[in-house]
Amino acid sequence: GIQVEQSPPDLILQEGANSTLRCNFSDSVNNLQWFHQNPWGQLINLFYIPSGTKQNGRLSATTVATERYSLLYISSSQTTDSGVYFCAYFGNEKLTFGTGTRLTIIP
Amino acid sequence: NAGVTQTPKFRVLKTGQSMTLLCAQDMNHEYMYWYRQDPGMGLRLIHYSVGEGTTAKGEVPDGYNVSRLKKQNFLLGLESAAPSQTSVYFCASNWGTQYFGPGTRLLVL
Repeated sequence: GIQVEQSPPDLILQEGANSTLRCNFSDSVNNLQWFHQNPWGQLINLFYIPSGTKQNGRLSATTVATERYSLLYISSSQTTDSGVYFCAYFGNEKLTFGTGTRLTIIP
Repeated sequence: NAGVTQTPKFRVLKTGQSMTLLCAQDMNHEYMYWYRQDPGMGLRLIHYSVGEGTTAKGEVPDGYNVSRLKKQNFLLGLESAAPSQTSVYFCASNWGTQYFGPGTRLLVL
């Protein structure tokens, strides 16, 4: 199957900083999603982004399918942004998740 | 529109007991999934369904059974609980975009 790798695995930032999380996949995918799991365990869908760029408030995502990567940008980080960010692609009837990036925002 | 709901939120079982976790979605999605998440780990797929009356095995199906008698409901059963099944269980539904339920925390003593 297609491998999905995320980087960095861990990221610690001061509140107000910007960050870029990366998702690389080993082959072409046509359905990519980003999720945030907050410290209380809740899983929230951030973006469905098979290609191009989308923005939602302080968050934006870009997928370059031909180059097999996707980026998640978080600007002006807040403590509520802490948690684990997963990218995932949908294929063979199910999602395959990346390894995740654990983001910690320090006040 | 409640999205994806799970019942119960928390449960303690003794080894050998059985229980059923209920997942319900009101978005008319065809695909539904059950995952487990152990501390510090990612999600592992237990079973899934691509439509009413269908089920399929995921990555870690042993010790679990599922049923999808109605499109909006997906049940996960543990016939004889074991301590290794202590975990947080997430249900999800998908029709393009995947939505997760709030999770069920299960402790097997």
